[in-house]
Amino acid sequence: EDKVVQSPLSLVVHEGDTVTLNCSYEVTNFRSLLWYKQEKKAPTFLFMLTSSGIEKKSGRLSSILDKKELSSILNITATQTGDSAIYLCAVLGGATNKLIFGTGTLLAVQP
Amino acid sequence: GAGVSQTPSNKVTEKGKYVELRCDPISGHTALYWYRQSLGQGPEFLIYFQGTGAADDSGLPNDRFFAVRPEGSVSTLKIQRTERGDSAVYLCASSLIGTGNTIYFGEGSWLTVV
Repeated sequence: EDKVVQSPLSLVVHEGDTVTLNCSYEVTNFRSLLWYKQEKKAPTFLFMLTSSGIEKKSGRLSSILDKKELSSILNITATQTGDSAIYLCAVLGGATNKLIFGTGTLLAVQP
Repeated sequence: GAGVSQTPSNKVTEKGKYVELRCDPISGHTALYWYRQSLGQGPEFLIYFQGTGAADDSGLPNDRFFAVRPEGSVSTLKIQRTERGDSAVYLCASSLIGTGNTIYFGEGSWLTVV
């Protein structure tokens, strides 16, 4: 069965800290891995990763995919209270191009 | 439209009633997805359309759930004989067809069955 696992499930840090969120997957016919940030209801897109070893960067956020280890990390440097959210990892794959989500990591950044 | 639009944003219904949730995808997006998200969980796949046809409906939990997309644009998720366990946020997403295309989500419809 295809699955995506995220860790940790939750994390509390102070402003200015650096955090690393993990995502591992077992999905047939892997096509891409996506990271989303969810603050209220709609997940908002952060990154799409298809190639191993190439870092994607946007401001203080960055992410990289390791296809050999079937995993990805999302790094956030100099965290701010506005980074508090659920971070969702999803893998596009399977025979029908389905997006399979992990349970998410709940990040709380304290002032 | 500019983004994925879902209506209603909130719906409270009594157990046993029928509900319809609507999704209007980004203009030109041929792929449309429905997900359900319960508190503390990641989104759970329900059904995926390519154009008018359901490419994968393996996530629909039972025959009370049905979705249509008759003209390949707007989709409606229909839930018959609602149960309290159906309470969740129902998320719709759309994308262009193809591996490199980002999937964009709507704001969701929060369904509460009382």
